[in-house]
Amino acid sequence: QVQLQESGPGLVKPSETLSLTCTVSGGSVSSGSYYWSWIRQPPGKGLEWIGYIYYSGSTNYNPSLKSRVTISVDTSKNQFSLKLSSVTAADTAVYYCARGQLGEMATRYWGQGTLVTVSS
Amino acid sequence: QSALTQPPSASGSPGQSVTISCTGTSSDVGGYNYVSWYQQHPGKAPKLMIYEVSKRPSGVPDRFSGSKSGNTASLTVSGLQAEDEADYYCSSYAGSNNFIFGTGTKVTVL
Repeated sequence: QVQLQESGPGLVKPSETLSLTCTVSGGSVSSGSYYWSWIRQPPGKGLEWIGYIYYSGSTNYNPSLKSRVTISVDTSKNQFSLKLSSVTAADTAVYYCARGQLGEMATRYWGQGTLVTVSS
Repeated sequence: QSALTQPPSASGSPGQSVTISCTGTSSDVGGYNYVSWYQQHPGKAPKLMIYEVSKRPSGVPDRFSGSKSGNTASLTVSGLQAEDEADYYCSSYAGSNNFIFGTGTKVTVL
């Protein structure tokens, strides 16, 4: 059973860069059958897809966030990461990492989520 | 890329059925058979309930069913149970390797 765990600072200052890492266990980020996603949810609001990466390093980002987002993968550590630059209070959210299944285009496995607050 | 439109709330008594709609455009819901539905209990991560419009992952009760007509997808929960009270989100592939979520629907079991 694959498990995903987010880690990173819970507090980030405005204008700085938010950095999160997702550690995958019970499965490999090198598998060609999946895509590895970041999804966020502001407090009390709905889900927003941020982007995803394939094991090859190929990425796709939400057009509304594309200029500020970088997703990368480290196959040696079985991890993938999110960087979101120039953050504002509007970026305060629970950030989830997740695994999607190619062919289904759906996300079966999710991390527990981590709250990141943007505040000075 | 606007969020898919869902009703803010829906409700039903135990044993009844509730149907949630998810309206998009021909560029997302109407253009692909890649609509999925997620259940989210408070403080928890979302759980996949339906994928590819109407397929259920193993372990999801057959009380949950999905369908699509044109640009609108629907999730029906039959035989409502107390544990079905949660937020539900639809999601669709939107072309160009993008995805989009719905606005979310809070289901209340009366």
